[in-house]
Amino acid sequence: SQQGEEDPQALSIQEGENATMNCSYKTSINNLQWYRQNSGRGLVHLILIRSNEREKHSGRLRVTLDTSKKSSSLLITASRAADTASYFCATDRDDYKLSFGAGTTVTVRA
Amino acid sequence: EAGVAQSPRYKIIEKRQSVAFWCNPISGHATLYWYQQILGQGPKLLIQFQNNGVVDDSQLPKDRFSAERLKGVDSTLKIQPAKLEDSAVYLCASSKGVRATNEKLFFGSGTQLSVL
Repeated sequence: SQQGEEDPQALSIQEGENATMNCSYKTSINNLQWYRQNSGRGLVHLILIRSNEREKHSGRLRVTLDTSKKSSSLLITASRAADTASYFCATDRDDYKLSFGAGTTVTVRA
Repeated sequence: EAGVAQSPRYKIIEKRQSVAFWCNPISGHATLYWYQQILGQGPKLLIQFQNNGVVDDSQLPKDRFSAERLKGVDSTLKIQPAKLEDSAVYLCASSKGVRATNEKLFFGSGTQLSVL
């Protein structure tokens, strides 16, 4: 069963704008991960954030985690055409198992 | 380092036929995962191996799906017989350690299966 749910389902932005997507989950977690999937490809790991962390950065990506609200957000700043992809959050069902949400599809318009 | 290799890339079969997918994980990775991704959905874990032992196969339809990991390295996933609802992308992933929640998963490009 899915633990995390992304919102919105789809997002269309202009190149150079920021994109924000959210992930909500139901039960407490140890870690939360974000992955990107380009069309027709496998998933690529972006960031892992631990339950005792509130914010993490990687290049143009910023992830926040609010364990009191059971939610996380992924911000992509200064978007590029290459950021067009689906983005998934993955949460732990237990120490050994990851559960992926349905994803947010981001389209960056030139 | 070489990535996760999967073959074939595409497969089209008729219902009730059998099909097999192959995965070669990144060298040295202890854990191997097979995920099923139906169009428009997130990946769903089918089976997770730690070396050559099964960690979780609770969502594997065992009446038609089987998987093995040979000598703790390569893996094959088989469907026999296939149903229309098996049409999906089958993704293989691997990770260095055994605790998926602490690990970065590396994914192959997947096998796109169409069952007609």
